[in-house]
Amino acid sequence: NAGVTQTPKFQVLKTGQSMTLQCAQDMNHNSMYWYRQDPGMGLRLIYYSASEGTTDKGEVPNGYNVSRLNKREFSLRLESAAPSQTSVYFCASSETPLPQHFGDGTRLSIL
Amino acid sequence: GQQLNQSPQSMFIQEGEDVSMNCTSSSIFNTWLWYKQDPGEGPVLLIALYKAGELTSNGRLTAQFGITRKDSFLNISASIPSDVGIYFCAGQRGAQKLVFGQGTRLTINP
Repeated sequence: NAGVTQTPKFQVLKTGQSMTLQCAQDMNHNSMYWYRQDPGMGLRLIYYSASEGTTDKGEVPNGYNVSRLNKREFSLRLESAAPSQTSVYFCASSETPLPQHFGDGTRLSIL
Repeated sequence: GQQLNQSPQSMFIQEGEDVSMNCTSSSIFNTWLWYKQDPGEGPVLLIALYKAGELTSNGRLTAQFGITRKDSFLNISASIPSDVGIYFCAGQRGAQKLVFGQGTRLTINP
């Protein structure tokens, strides 16, 4: 029972590099989310997808793009990484418009 | 943006003690959620509250939706070592996206 799977678990980038964080869920959920978590802070929503083919900006979308190509997968792309994007990134999915199942996170460091 | 203030920021207790924490806002919310995060893992949804005054339990955990709709409370009875972690509250106002508090870190001395 995998739930929400995020890859990679760890990544180090240089400023200006690009990368895509992958997320897949096997629970047939319509709603999927990307959050970032910084030290001493709660989770902040980057992007949200209510269903396949639809996406919506969250609280901190600048510097990120997302893609929901199918119901299972929701990817987050950093086109030109900046040190301010050093964070732990969490993907989540849910049957409802409230995040219920989270992955174990991707720890991203940008030098 | 909307702010949620969790209190206390950290707690150090003895095993077996009861725990109380709260979450407050200057805005009214129509949904309150409580999550727990273990080290190196993602948050896990513990309890969801949808009505003012609602009291909901999940095992030794009990959460309440404040009457004013501006606060919520989480209690843990008879704490055990596996209760260690960070507890987050989150609130939703209308059709707006969920807002998270900064977390309460719980440490238990055996």
